Order: sequence, then C-alpha cells, then structure tokens
Amino acid sequence: DIVMTQSPDSLAVSLGERATINCKSSQSVLYSSNNKNYLTWYQQKPGQPPKVLIHWASTRESGVPDRFSGSGSGTDFTLTISSLQAEDVAVYYCQQYYSIPITFGQGTRLEIK
Amino acid sequence: QVPLVQSGAEVKEPGASVKVSCRASGNSFTIYGIHWVRQAPEQGLEWVGWINAGNGDTKYSQKFQGRVTIKRDTFASTAYMDLSSLRSEDTAVYYCARGPRDYFAMDVWGQGTTVTVSS
Repeated sequence: DIVMTQSPDSLAVSLGERATINCKSSQSVLYSSNNKNYLTWYQQKPGQPPKVLIHWASTRESGVPDRFSGSGSGTDFTLTISSLQAEDVAVYYCQQYYSIPITFGQGTRLEIK
Repeated sequence: QVPLVQSGAEVKEPGASVKVSCRASGNSFTIYGIHWVRQAPEQGLEWVGWINAGNGDTKYSQKFQGRVTIKRDTFASTAYMDLSSLRSEDTAVYYCARGPRDYFAMDVWGQGTTVTVSS
C-alpha cells in the first residue's frame, strides 16, 4: 500500500498570510506513460463531505479560488494557500489514486492565528 | 440537481449488516466509477472499495475483504454498499464518491450516511 504522510498535523496562520501543507508518498504516484501525478487535495469543513481543490497534483478544480495551488511530483507534494481567508479554516487531505488501495494522508488542521 | 444522494442514517446492533445506497442524478451513471469512503468520528478518511458502474467490476480494501459487497443497479442509477458483521469500530460516516471509471480519481461526493453500531 502507498502510505501518504502529511506535515504538519496542524497549522495556525494569520489572515492574509501564506499557508503551506506538505504531503509525501511512500512510492511515486507519477505515471510515466502520461507524465501525470495521481494525487488530489481536498478541503473538509465540519459536517461536510470533502471538497476537491486540486487534482493531478496541480490542476485547480473549477470554481476553486486561485489562492489555492498545488505543486510537486513523484513523491513530494505541496498545497499552498497564498493569502489565508477566514473561510479556509478546515482540514486538508491529500490522496493518491495511482494504485489500489486508494490512500489518504492523515489530514492537516488549518486554523487562524 | 444534486449529483449523488445517499440513504439516511442507520443504527445497527453488533453483528448485524447495513446497506447504504447512493443514487446518481442524470442518465450517465454507467460512465462512472463509484467509491465508498468512510470517516470515523474525529478521524481521517478511509477507502472501502469501488465499483465500475458500467461493467460491475469491483475492488475492495483488504481490510474489509469478506465483509463488504458493493453492487450497482444501472436502471436505478444507484450503487449500494453492504457491510456485514458490524462492530463498534464500524461506526462512521460513509460517503460515496463519483469518478471516472478508467482511473480512480473522485470528483463529486455524496452527503454522507451516518452508521452507528451500538447495542
């Protein structure tokens, strides 16, 4: 199984400041035949299902604000929120869909400092 | 239209089985794969399994193998997850999520179904 490890587990950032969440996979999730990274970033708020922010590691989902961006390749990935807004308080998860079983990171709780 | 609508909350005794449904809107059900993911209280996300809504092919997490069955009814545009031999640790919100059937991404999630296992 591919193990997904996020860091940090929790993060407090001031409004308007940058937030950075890291995700590391135990094996590469880059599919060589199409050069795509099989990785998604989700945002989950209390009482709601997860919402897709970024797929293919760096492609922003339609309707997601452009302050959210994803980067990285192979085994190391980053979700960046360029200017934190109050509505960004949530838990963030990375997930690989390169192989079965699909696996998620443990989540990073983002709060306002 | 809400893309995925799940059945209501369930309370079951230990040892019982539960069946959760996930109805897709629109008439393109068979072009998708449907995943089941669960989240125990205050915990992270855990993948349970997947079905190709077109041909019925399934894949399951080894953790649930033998206890979970995922099926679909193409006429009803509905996927089902059956989990048997329930124990207290199965108490969780169970989500269905839709994605392409030829790779395992998820793009739309259902609202979740709370399953409580308690005597």
